[in-house]
Amino acid sequence: AQKVTQAQTEISVVEKEDVTLDCVYETRDTTYYLFWYKQPPSGELVFLIRRNSFDEQNEISGRYSWNFQKSTSSFNFTITASQVVDSAVYFCALSEEKGGSEKLVFGKGTKLTVNP
Amino acid sequence: NAGVTQTPKFRVLKTGQSMTLLCAQDMNHEYMYWYRQDPGMGLRLIHYSVGEGTTAKGEVPDGYNVSRLKKQNFLLGLESAAPSQTSVYFCASSYTPGRTSSGANVLTFGAGSRLTVL
Repeated sequence: AQKVTQAQTEISVVEKEDVTLDCVYETRDTTYYLFWYKQPPSGELVFLIRRNSFDEQNEISGRYSWNFQKSTSSFNFTITASQVVDSAVYFCALSEEKGGSEKLVFGKGTKLTVNP
Repeated sequence: NAGVTQTPKFRVLKTGQSMTLLCAQDMNHEYMYWYRQDPGMGLRLIHYSVGEGTTAKGEVPDGYNVSRLKKQNFLLGLESAAPSQTSVYFCASSYTPGRTSSGANVLTFGAGSRLTVL
């Protein structure tokens, strides 16, 4: 069965610190997709990134970067020079395709608090 | 752009009461989903639909029913609410069934509906 583990339940940092959120997944699929979503205190879910299993290139978007390593089944997310606005719950998710339909399996989330 | 709209946003029920959550999307998406979010549990899939007139069970379907009579709407019903169904419910939609050449679909989520069952 597909599974996503976010071992860090809560992380607290001081503004301008770098922080890495860990995500480890399990799947038997050879083709799969990984996602990160952000849930700020307002509650909505915001899509951050999608990565397919054939593309192990790291990605950088401003202060955000993602490190995908198939060898360790990990898809970690790093925020550089964190800001208070980065405070949120972050979810890692894995796509699961069965019988032609697509579903996302989410990790339990990591709550990040960035203190001024 | 409305995207995915959920109503109501908040509701308090007594045990045994029934209610329906409505999800509406204006993006012509084929796929629609209902998730529930509980503290420390992440999001768990309740039911989903791959198109008008179809529904399927997700990870935690017990106690819920759904209907997709129109492509743009996906209703989640609780026939006899229980305190264990106190949660935040999220509806989501995505464009096509299965994967496209560009990869797995990105879900667009509604703002959530907070349900409390006393």
